[in-house]
Amino acid sequence: KNEVEQSPQNLTAQEGEFITINCSYSVGISALHWLQQHPGGGIVSLFMLSSGKKKHGRLIATINIQEKHSSLHITASHPRDSAVYICAVRSEVGSQGNLIFGKGTKLSVKP
Amino acid sequence: DAGVTQSPTHLIKTRGQQVTLRCSPKSGHDTVSWYQQALGQGPQFIFQYYEEEERQRGNFPDRFSGHQFPNYSSELNVNALLLGDSALYLCASSRRDRPSYGYTFGSGTRLTVV
Repeated sequence: KNEVEQSPQNLTAQEGEFITINCSYSVGISALHWLQQHPGGGIVSLFMLSSGKKKHGRLIATINIQEKHSSLHITASHPRDSAVYICAVRSEVGSQGNLIFGKGTKLSVKP
Repeated sequence: DAGVTQSPTHLIKTRGQQVTLRCSPKSGHDTVSWYQQALGQGPQFIFQYYEEEERQRGNFPDRFSGHQFPNYSSELNVNALLLGDSALYLCASSRRDRPSYGYTFGSGTRLTVV
């Protein structure tokens, strides 16, 4: 079993829909990251969370440390949101610990 | 302010050859981590460099080696290339004294081994 599990693997939505991507992890963490990867490969950091909730524009990320679960929400989705969204955790073992990645959720937003 | 720069962007090599990939970290960052991302998978940690030394290593064979220079830039070397080494290689930089600042990723080097 992977240490970081994401669901769904693939997601197709109509423009304007509210989208939720889930991430569950099985290790102790010092931080959780939500990342966006476009077809070219480059990764952009969206959020880094250690507790609670963060909001940036139409994106909202939440984390429940007790349940070892995080969600990424996109409100009023747009075709330009189409990308792979990746959850990654930094383990508690050393604050400079490497990131452990989920396999990603491929989101496609249709106009 | 330049982010993380990786070169080359694409590379084709033959089995058995050796390859060197390069990474320049974001200005102000002193730690460089390398990741391998196979098609359809999440990135896998290869190793991390800080103060010109390998500090942590993932589950990769000794064919994978690296270096960090005094200006914090880094190289990833892979010897005796296998077909299975074909992947996107990502570099991420960070500040060791400010883990809360997170990571900055490069656009990656896509390596194809034929």
